[in-house]
Amino acid sequence: EAQVTQNPRYLITVTGKKLTVTCSQNMNHEYMSWYRQDPGLGLRQIYYSMNVEVTDKGDVPEGYKVSRKEKRNFPLILESPSPNQTSLYFCASSYYRASTDTQYFGPGTRLTVL
Amino acid sequence: KNEVEQSPQNLTAQEGEFITINCSYSVGISALHWLQQHPGGGIVSLFMLSSGKKKHGRLIATINIQEKHSSLHITASHPRDSAVYICAAPVNQFYFGTGTSLTVIP
Repeated sequence: EAQVTQNPRYLITVTGKKLTVTCSQNMNHEYMSWYRQDPGLGLRQIYYSMNVEVTDKGDVPEGYKVSRKEKRNFPLILESPSPNQTSLYFCASSYYRASTDTQYFGPGTRLTVL
Repeated sequence: KNEVEQSPQNLTAQEGEFITINCSYSVGISALHWLQQHPGGGIVSLFMLSSGKKKHGRLIATINIQEKHSSLHITASHPRDSAVYICAAPVNQFYFGTGTSLTVIP
């Protein structure tokens, strides 16, 4: 089944404890992206990647890192999480270009930073 | 500044009503996306359109690229249409509207 998977789905952590949220797709998509969703602010893009070893900042990259060493995986790293990173996070992928290809979303990761 | 504006923010309708959600954007794009987010949180892509009109079941999306405006219509609305509808304008990064929360009452 074609899908985007994220792990974990729920995570409660404490300030400063490094964490990684994994994202994997099995559709051989070139474009992958991370978003956060907050009440009243909607979806905002954190980072995106147009291919292996190519990543770019979105609207809200501060406090996050990403890497794209393999086509299928695009992990989101929070080196030193803070409470303002408490949010619902989505990973998404599309075949080639974000502008012309359908986006497929993962199920979301709800992160709470205490 | 908001690159993408959606209206209304909230919408309550009676079952069977015709619904329209509007999206205006300021960035130059070649296609606009409409997304649906169900109460459980999952997001699915409804439409991607670059011109004219697309229809899927009771959902119709239209776009005017020159005027930078798109609309999502739902005909004969049903309680299962209750969700948040989000328009998104991709350049290389995505710009999103803040969403329209639709509730359809039986």
